[in-house]
Parts: sequence; structure tokens; C-alpha cells
Amino acid sequence: QVQLQESGPGLVKPSQTLSLACTVSGASVNSGSYYWSWIRQPAGKGLEWIGRMYTSGTITYNPSLESRVTISVDTSKNQFSLELSSVTAADTAIYYCAKETSGGRDYFDYWGQGTLVTVSS
Amino acid sequence: DIQVTQSPSSLSASVGDRVTITCRASQYIGSYLNWYQQKPGKAPKLLIYAASSLQSGVPSRFGGSGSGTDFTLTISSLQPEDFATYYCQQSYSVPRTFGQGTKVDIK
Repeated sequence: QVQLQESGPGLVKPSQTLSLACTVSGASVNSGSYYWSWIRQPAGKGLEWIGRMYTSGTITYNPSLESRVTISVDTSKNQFSLELSSVTAADTAIYYCAKETSGGRDYFDYWGQGTLVTVSS
Repeated sequence: DIQVTQSPSSLSASVGDRVTITCRASQYIGSYLNWYQQKPGKAPKLLIYAASSLQSGVPSRFGGSGSGTDFTLTISSLQPEDFATYYCQQSYSVPRTFGQGTKVDIK
């Protein structure tokens, strides 16, 4: 059974960088036909896809956030990470990491529980 | 970006009702459409993938149909545990995009 767990600070000051990690168990971040993704959800609102990393290392970002986002991987910890720079209150949201199964009909089949990040001074 | 628009944004229904939620994509997406259920304080849960394939472990009262630009999620007989918010999501291209959600609550 695949499990994902987000970790990181719950409070970030405006203009600083938000940093989160997602620890994966039950699958390897660098093998298999999977994408490892970040998705966020402001309180009471819908879901926004931030970006993803393929097991080969290929990374794709949402153009709306691309200038501020970095996704990286630490294979020794079986983790992938998110950095979002120059944050504002608009970046306050629950951040989810998720596994997207690839292979013709892609879908998010496993999600972390989510972590609330608040941007405030 | 491909926009996906759900309707209605909310609905009230009773246990045992048949419920239908629709999702329309802004361009052709074949059958690259997934449905998720989200309960308060929880992560979304995959219900239907590839427009009509039921995810393992999901009750058979959930069904999906459609292709091209128009899709439907149907709950054949609403159960108490089905009161939640439902999202569609296109996997035809990146960036991945979600519908705005349909909240199903108790009439």
C-alpha cells in the first residue's frame, strides 16, 4: 500500500519561501510509471495542480506558478519536495502531495493527508 | 490550459436519490477524465478514472460516462456516506485542471 506524508512549516512569512517535503512509502520515487505531484487547495475552494516530477526526473510546472516553483527529489530518503518562493497571502492553502499513475489513463490514486500552510507575518 | 466546468455547484438530495453531476471540458479530451470525492478535512479520493472505470474498492453505485467534452458522474442510490464534494479532473494535458466542485448535501 502506497502512503504519502507531507511535512514542513505551517506558517511562512510573506515574501519568504515555502518548503515542504513528501515522504513516500510503498513505492519508489525513482522507479515505476508514476508522477509525483503537488496540488493545493485554499480553504473552501477548489484544487490547483502545482507541478509534478516523473520517476525519470522530468519535471513539469503549472505555468501560472512556474516562475516561483521548484520540485526536487531526494532518493536517499524516498522523498520529493516543493519550494514556492516570494509567497503572499494568496498562497495560503492546504498542500497535498499525490501519486499520479501514468500509462495512458493517468489519475491521482494516492494522496497525502495534506498540510495547511498559512502565509502571515 | 483546458478548463473543466462542473454543474451544478451544489445540490441537495435525499438518501436513496439518483444524483447526476456533469463536467464539461473546454476542448476535446477523449476519455481522459477522472472523478474524485472529498469529505471535510480529508484528501480527495479517486472514484472513477478514464471517464467510466471504477476504482478498486469504490461501490458500484458510482458510475461515470461520457467522452470528448461532456461527462457525467452518477450515484444511483445516494447513501449517507456519499454526502461530500465531488471534483472532475482532466488528464489529457498539463497543466492538470480540476472542476470547481459540486457539493452534495442533505435535503
